[in-house]
Amino acid sequence: SYVLTQPPSVSVAPGKTARITCGGNNIGGKSVHWYQQKPGQAPVLVIYYDSDRPSGIPERFSGSNSGNTATLTISRVEAGDEADYYCQVWDSSSDHPFGGGTKLTVL
Amino acid sequence: EVQLVESGGGLVQPGGSLRLSCAASGFTLRTYWMSWVRQAPGKGLEWVANIKQDGSEKYYVDSVKGRFTISRDNAKNSLYLQMNSLRAEDTAVYYCARPEAGYFFFWGQGTLVTVSS
Repeated sequence: SYVLTQPPSVSVAPGKTARITCGGNNIGGKSVHWYQQKPGQAPVLVIYYDSDRPSGIPERFSGSNSGNTATLTISRVEAGDEADYYCQVWDSSSDHPFGGGTKLTVL
Repeated sequence: EVQLVESGGGLVQPGGSLRLSCAASGFTLRTYWMSWVRQAPGKGLEWVANIKQDGSEKYYVDSVKGRFTISRDNAKNSLYLQMNSLRAEDTAVYYCARPEAGYFFFWGQGTLVTVSS
């Protein structure tokens, strides 16, 4: 099965830029989706198809995907962005893995 | 407004069975693939199963194959997950989700399944 690798944690000061990576074999050839999950809540889609933002998601959230790494970038980080973030691909009819998740801490 | 509401979770002994339900509203269930995704306590998200609109295709993560069965009743706007031979490692919050061309936009609030003696 296809494996997605994320760093367990990322820390950033308010107002700075956070970058969360998602590694996978030739992930640049796949579509990557990103979710934000706060404690006790269901995940929320923040980026789909590598870099598209759903309605209601701030422009501060952006994504890119190339080679073996996809990246979620959060600009001008706010305290409310503190959450777990997961990447996900739809690899085939029978495999739709998520990354292990990255805990974003706002210092 | 799209709503997905899971039910049926609870405490079950190892080797036992449980049936989860997901009530869908705000959209026509029969026109969409549907999925179950789970999250063990303090762990990450794990896709569990998918089912095609008419139930003719079903897919499972390897760890539940032969033990879990996904099904649907479009007339009742409901999705199900029959879980047999439950193990401690199946303990998780189970989410019903609607896939949209590869990503999950709509999620339920989840139902907790605890497998313990």
